Amino acid sequence: QKEVEQNSGPLSVPEGAIASLNCTYSDRGSQSFFWYRQYSGKSPELIMSIYSNGDKEDGRFTAQLNKASQYVSLLIRDSQPSDSATYLCAVNLSGQNFVFGPGTRLSVLP
Amino acid sequence: ETGVTQTPRHLVMGMTNKKSLKCEQHLGHNAMYWYKQSAKKPLELMFVYSLEERVENNSVPSRFSPECPNSSHLFLHLHTLQPEDSALYLCASSQDIVAVPYEQYFGPGTRLTVT
Repeated sequence: QKEVEQNSGPLSVPEGAIASLNCTYSDRGSQSFFWYRQYSGKSPELIMSIYSNGDKEDGRFTAQLNKASQYVSLLIRDSQPSDSATYLCAVNLSGQNFVFGPGTRLSVLP
Repeated sequence: ETGVTQTPRHLVMGMTNKKSLKCEQHLGHNAMYWYKQSAKKPLELMFVYSLEERVENNSVPSRFSPECPNSSHLFLHLHTLQPEDSALYLCASSQDIVAVPYEQYFGPGTRLTVT
């Protein structure tokens, strides 16, 4: 069974710190990986996608992928209170086979 | 705001009612999806359509019936629902399912309450 696991949190970090969110997945055939941000009462918003091993940076966000260890992480630098949300990790085995993790709730304290 | 719209945004229905949820994407994508998001559970993929053909049906009860008349529109027809079907129903679209990029973009969702 394809699974994606995340620590449910809440993960609390002070404003300006680095928030580190982790995700592990069970299916070695997984091809692509995504991070979504979901504010309470809103729909998921895509913030990062990563397809190959290594780091991918976009502004304050860095996604890291290690296929050998089957984990993907998201770093948020200079965390802001507006970053407080639930972060969903999604793994794509092939085309239509998307599996989402349960999400990690992040709280950035002013 | 995303290029995926959903109506209605909120729906309250009795167990004997029939209603439909509508999704429209303005992104020129070929694939569309229905997800269910219940409290304290991960997003559950319900249906996938590619070029108006259903390619995935994840053991969803028959009281949920999807329809995709064209690549821009997706419906979810609801009948004789149960209270446990109360959830946020999300529509998403992606460029394709057979090649990258696979990124999915979500609509705002329909909050459904079954009484």
